[in-house]
Amino acid sequence: GAVVSQHPSWVICKSGTSVKIECRSLDFQATTMFWYRQFPKQSLMLMATSNEGSKATYEQGVEKDKFLINHASLTLSTLTVTSAHPEDSSFYICSARDPGRDSTEAFFGQGTRLTVV
Amino acid sequence: GQNIDQPTEMTATEGAIVQINCTYQTSGFNGLFWYQQHAGEAPTFLSYNVLDGLEEKGRFSSFLSRSKGYSYLLLKELQMKDSASYLCAVRDSNYQLIWGAGTKLIIKP
Repeated sequence: GAVVSQHPSWVICKSGTSVKIECRSLDFQATTMFWYRQFPKQSLMLMATSNEGSKATYEQGVEKDKFLINHASLTLSTLTVTSAHPEDSSFYICSARDPGRDSTEAFFGQGTRLTVV
Repeated sequence: GQNIDQPTEMTATEGAIVQINCTYQTSGFNGLFWYQQHAGEAPTFLSYNVLDGLEEKGRFSSFLSRSKGYSYLLLKELQMKDSASYLCAVRDSNYQLIWGAGTKLIIKP
C-alpha cells in the first residue's frame, strides 16, 4: 500500500530553537500533503495544505511565519516550527493522497511528538 | 458551522459487539471516513462511505445515512487490541476533511 514516512518520531527542543519535521511519500508522488496538529484527547486540526511547487495554504489562525512549510518535490514536504515555545508542544501528523489510486483514502505518516522545554 | 459529534468514550467486553455513532453537519458532503488511532500513533484507515448503506470489511462495518447526517462504525467479536480511539471524518464540499474528536473505546476482558 501507499506509505508515508514522517521523521523524526519525537523531538525535544529548547524554547527559541527551530525544529524541522519531514514527511515523505515513499512509493507514490503526492502533489498535495496535509499537516495536522493534535492535542491530547482532541481531534486532528488541519494546519495547512502543502502543494508541490507552490505556496502552502494555511488554515485560519495558523501563523505562516511560525510554521514554515516547504513542498519542494513530489515526495517531500517539510514543516519547520520556528522559535518554538512550550505551547507548540503537540503531536504533528502529515498525510498525503495518492492520486494514482482509486481510493480516496488519505495515508498518514507516523506522527511527530514535539516537546519544547 | 461545521460539526461532527461522536461519543467521548465507550466501554465494551471482549468478544462482544459495539456500535460507535457519528452525526455530522457540514458544508457539503463528499464521503465519510472512519479511522482507528492508538495512543501516540497516527490514525489508520478503516472505512469509507459515500453512498447510503452498509459497508462490511471483516469484523468492522460502517453505515451511512446521508439524509440523516448519520453514520456508525460496528465492531464485532471485539478483541483487546481494538482498544483505541475511533475518529469519524467527513469530506466537505471543498474536499477538506472535518474531524470528530474521536471516541475512546475501552475493551474489558
